[in-house]
Amino acid sequence: GQNIDQPTEMTATEGAIVQINCTYQTSGFNGLFWYQQHAGEAPTFLSYNVLDGLEEKGRFSSFLSRSKGYSYLLLKELQMKDSASYLCAVMDSNYQLIWGAGTKLIIKP
Amino acid sequence: GAVVSQHPSRVICKSGTSVKIECRSLDFQATTMFWYRQFPKQSLMLMATSNEGSKATYEQGVEKDKFLINHASLTLSTLTVTSAHPEDSSFYICSAKHGRSDTGELFFGEGSRLTVL
Repeated sequence: GQNIDQPTEMTATEGAIVQINCTYQTSGFNGLFWYQQHAGEAPTFLSYNVLDGLEEKGRFSSFLSRSKGYSYLLLKELQMKDSASYLCAVMDSNYQLIWGAGTKLIIKP
Repeated sequence: GAVVSQHPSRVICKSGTSVKIECRSLDFQATTMFWYRQFPKQSLMLMATSNEGSKATYEQGVEKDKFLINHASLTLSTLTVTSAHPEDSSFYICSAKHGRSDTGELFFGEGSRLTVL
């Protein structure tokens, strides 16, 4: 079966760095996505990785290792507004998105 | 960036009535739209894929007669929850794929919170 695993909840301190991991087992692979979702709101796109390596975009970076079925989202200089759920999603061979359950990130002052 | 608008954002209805939720792509044509359902503290659950001009493709376990989807134009898809019951109360979210890109970047509507009394 297809499976996306990510931690349920993480806590970090304002100004610090946090890494949210995602491992996956899917039928084929056509890219991995990270989305941010604030409570009661729809997700917003953060990043897309289809090749191995690190993609940096401002305070957020995303890493992919296809051979390991592994990705992480790195958030630097954490701000209180970064408190949200972070969803990992993989596009399978049928170009369907398989979603993880999300990681709730709590930022403390 | 591309904008997807969803309406209404909140709706409360009585059990047994039907509710229609609209999803519009405001500045691009979306040949494919997706409808999701999300329960509290859970991930998005894909309900159906809506393709303009053809019947929607429903995921396993989703009742097509209960959740009617219409994608009559390249900018509008609608989800109608028929004969709603309290267990249908949920957060319904639509997304649209920009153009025919297979990179998969989806633009999401704001979501619609349905409460069935």
